[in-house]
Amino acid sequence: AQSVSQHNHHVILSEAASLELGCNYSYGGTVNLFWYVQYPGQHLQLLLKYFSGDPLVKGIKGFEAEFIKSKFSFNLRKPSVQWSDTAEYFCAVNNQAGTALIFGKGTTLSVSS
Amino acid sequence: KAGVTQTPRYLIKTRGQQVTLSCSPISGHRSVSWYQQTPGQGLQFLFEYFSETQRNKGNFPGRFSGRQFSNSRSEMNVSTLELGDSALYLCASSFRGQGYSDTQYFGPGTRLTVL
Repeated sequence: AQSVSQHNHHVILSEAASLELGCNYSYGGTVNLFWYVQYPGQHLQLLLKYFSGDPLVKGIKGFEAEFIKSKFSFNLRKPSVQWSDTAEYFCAVNNQAGTALIFGKGTTLSVSS
Repeated sequence: KAGVTQTPRYLIKTRGQQVTLSCSPISGHRSVSWYQQTPGQGLQFLFEYFSETQRNKGNFPGRFSGRQFSNSRSEMNVSTLELGDSALYLCASSFRGQGYSDTQYFGPGTRLTVL
C-alpha cells in the first residue's frame, strides 16, 4: 500500500539548532515529493518540491531537502532554525499518474527562543 | 493572484444533517482536489475534479460527494452527517493535475463540527 512515514511526531529545538526531519515513502512509479508547512492558525503552504533532476532541492526560508531514491527518503533540513519556524511539517508524495497526495502524519516542530 | 478560497470557514451541524462546502481555485487552475484533515487520520484524499469531471476518488463512503462547475469552482457535499465527519476540509487547486508533475496549492479550509 502507498504510504508516507514521518519518523518524528514532535521535535523540540532551541533557536540556532540544526533541523532534520525524516520522511520515507512507499509508492510505485516515478514520484513527486513535497514538503508542506502549516504555521499556527495558517493554511498549508508549500515549502519545497521535487519532480526530477538535482536531488537536492532548496525551498523557502532556508529549507532544503534531499531525495535519496535508494532509500525512498526525502528528508527536510535547515542549518539553523528560528522561533518563527514553529509549525507542523508534512511530507507528501504523488506521481504523474494521479493527483492524490499521500501525506505523512506530520511533525510538530517547537522552537524555543 | 488570489489564493484558493473556501467558504464558509466554520460550520456547526448536527448528526443527520447535510452540508455543502465551497472552493474557488486559483485563477487559471482547472484541477480541484479535496482532503479531510483530522487529528487521528491526518490528511486524507477525498476526490479530484478536472473540467467538471471527477477523475480520482479516495476511500470515503458515498455520503461524500462533489462537483465542479464550468468556472472550475467546486463544491463538496456530505449527507447524513456523523460525529466522525468533524474535521478540517481542505481544498487544493493545481493547473493541470493528473498526468503532469504539478503543485497543489491549499486553501485555508472549512472547519466542520458535527454535534
